[in-house]
Amino acid sequence: KAGVTQTPRYLIKTRGQQVTLSCSPISGHRSVSWYQQTPGQGLQFLFEYFSETQRNKGNFPGRFSGRQFSNSRSEMNVSTLELGDSALYLCASSLQYDFRRDNEQFFGPGTRLTVL
Amino acid sequence: DAKTTQPPSMDCAEGRAANLPCNHSTISGNEYVYWYRQIHSQGPQYIIHGLKNNETNEMASLIITEDRKSSTLILPHATLRDTAVYYCIVRAGGSNYKLTFGKGTLLTVNP
Repeated sequence: KAGVTQTPRYLIKTRGQQVTLSCSPISGHRSVSWYQQTPGQGLQFLFEYFSETQRNKGNFPGRFSGRQFSNSRSEMNVSTLELGDSALYLCASSLQYDFRRDNEQFFGPGTRLTVL
Repeated sequence: DAKTTQPPSMDCAEGRAANLPCNHSTISGNEYVYWYRQIHSQGPQYIIHGLKNNETNEMASLIITEDRKSSTLILPHATLRDTAVYYCIVRAGGSNYKLTFGKGTLLTVNP
């Protein structure tokens, strides 16, 4: 079974631009979460989607947004990029929305975004 | 979600058991203990999770104290490839799937 895939793997943008990152969850998984990882702040939760609905949101500005499609694939968008948005953006998928014993999250390899 | 405390770093000899402690003294009754690890520049990898009872899988064992205020992740025979940052996370069951990562423990397995 294929794992979580994220595209692109690396991206370079300049300040003020916008960017869209894509995540394809494991087949059959319906919950997709996004995380940002930086050396200073560590791994921080951005948002979670289930059945095309945002279920939970972290403490990030409105420049960060996301969506989920009917096939569970998800995208996140960052508008008006700032230097501080340089980070590894990780996507994770899980099987169920309701917590079950085996409902762990599986992470993708991440997209490394560099803002110049 | 309750917070966790882990030592920032640990060393272990290859072939020996690695015992990684985690303190979660404010854990609530419905919160699970999860362990993930992250090898440099890769996404975090799920290891194991538990509620009250000790758990074991092909990767590791999880020992949770009776009062549930602390736990230990055990890698029975550490290899060089187990060098990674290990995160202990507590998460309530229910509707919101949000993992709150701390700084974790950098485990270095030495030859």
